[in-house]
Amino acid sequence: DIQMTQSPSSLSASVGDRVTITCRTSQNINNFLNWYHQKPGKAPKLLIYAASSLQGGVPSRFSGSGSGTDFTLTISSLQPEDFATYYCQQSYNIPQTFGQGTKVEIK
Amino acid sequence: QLQLQESGPGLVKPSETLSLTCTVSGGSISSNTHYWGWIRQAPGKGLEWIGSIYYSGTTYYNPSLKSRVTISVDTSKNQLSLKLSSMTAADTALYYCARLRQYQLRGDCFDYWGQGTLVTVSS
Repeated sequence: DIQMTQSPSSLSASVGDRVTITCRTSQNINNFLNWYHQKPGKAPKLLIYAASSLQGGVPSRFSGSGSGTDFTLTISSLQPEDFATYYCQQSYNIPQTFGQGTKVEIK
Repeated sequence: QLQLQESGPGLVKPSETLSLTCTVSGGSISSNTHYWGWIRQAPGKGLEWIGSIYYSGTTYYNPSLKSRVTISVDTSKNQLSLKLSSMTAADTALYYCARLRQYQLRGDCFDYWGQGTLVTVSS
C-alpha cells in the first residue's frame, strides 16, 4: 500500500493567516493526489484533484501543488469556515489511501 | 443536484453480515462517465477506502477487506450496495457512499458524498 504522511497533524491559525499542509507519499504517484476537508459531523468535501486542479465551487484561496511524492495544500487567507480536518488521498494505486488528516483549529 | 443517501441497520451483531444501500438521486448510477465507491471512518479516526465499482461492473476492493466485501449496483433502483461479512467491533464506523469522477484516464476523485450512516457492531 502507498503510505500517506501529512504534516502537521494539527495546527492553530488565525483568520487571515496563510496555511500550508503537506502530504508525502511512500512512492511516486505522479499527480494522482486529491485534497478534501471535513467539518465535524459532515462528509468530506473535495477541494483539489489531480494535485492542483480546483474543484468547481471551491474558493480560489485554496490551491494545491506538487508531483511525485511531495504535495502541498495552501489556504491563502484562512476564513472561519475553513476550520476543519484536511485529508490528502492518492488514486494512483489500489488500495486508494488517505492521509491521517490535519486538523486546522482556531488560534 | 446529485444526492446520495446511505441506509441500513445502525446496529449489527458480531459475525453477522452488514448490508448497506446507497440511493442516488439527481443522476443516473449507470452513467459511463462516473463510478461509485464506499469509504468508512471509525469513530475519531481517518478515512478508509473500502472499494469501488465501475459502470462495467468491474469492482476493486481494499485487500484488507477483500475476502469479506461485495459491492454491487442495482440500476433499476439507482442504488449502490455494500455487503461486509463477519463483522467485528473493528468494523464499527461511519460508512459513506460516494461518486468517483475520473481524470487523466487513471486518476479519480470522490466528488459527491452521502451524509454517512453509523454502523455499530455489538452484541
